[in-house]
Amino acid sequence: DSGVTQTPKHLITATGQRVTLRCSPRSGDLSVYWYQQSLDQGLQFLIQYYNGEERAKGNILERFSAQQFPDLHSELNLSSLELGDSALYFCASSVGTGGSYEQYFGPGTRLTVT
Amino acid sequence: SQQGEEDPQALSIQEGENATMNCSYKTSINNLQWYRQNSGRGLVHLILIRSNEREKHSGRLRVTLDTSKKSSSLLITASRAADTASYFCATDVRGGSNYKLTFGKGTLLTVNP
Repeated sequence: DSGVTQTPKHLITATGQRVTLRCSPRSGDLSVYWYQQSLDQGLQFLIQYYNGEERAKGNILERFSAQQFPDLHSELNLSSLELGDSALYFCASSVGTGGSYEQYFGPGTRLTVT
Repeated sequence: SQQGEEDPQALSIQEGENATMNCSYKTSINNLQWYRQNSGRGLVHLILIRSNEREKHSGRLRVTLDTSKKSSSLLITASRAADTASYFCATDVRGGSNYKLTFGKGTLLTVNP
């Protein structure tokens, strides 16, 4: 158990809909990262927050947004969903920010768009 | 193209054998990390090696880093069936004043009992 929790575990929704994925980092970790993993694209970095502020952005679509709240939990919002958004979405956390910190991954949310 | 690319894409060995996976990257890095992922589950951090280090050990794992060749290798000795998983290297890439980890597509290791 990494100490990172993600809800829900599974999500099935229709195209055009909007969903919110939730992540609680490990106790004491200030950084939260979101990743998307699909068979064709592999593990793609989406966005990182550190202590409430956006720190780094990756291949995140404009239809996606995220935020980190004062209690450090984070939410990833996916809107106008398309079939291609079906993937595993992982949240990870680390104590600091930067590549010298190991990241602890949650169990993921499997999103299926039908 | 990927910053980090693992080679081979898939590797199948017998229990007790050693497994070697390689990672090549394109731009200069400060750190390189290896992670493991069991099917459909979250990634687990294995080891971090800094750019000024050449080799690092952790239990049955040995990681080397050659910054001149922009490559790293992960060696798992005396493999077990439980080592069956995908293995990813991740490199830190600078974006502005911040760094983010970029993951390769992974090597799928199958250890046959």
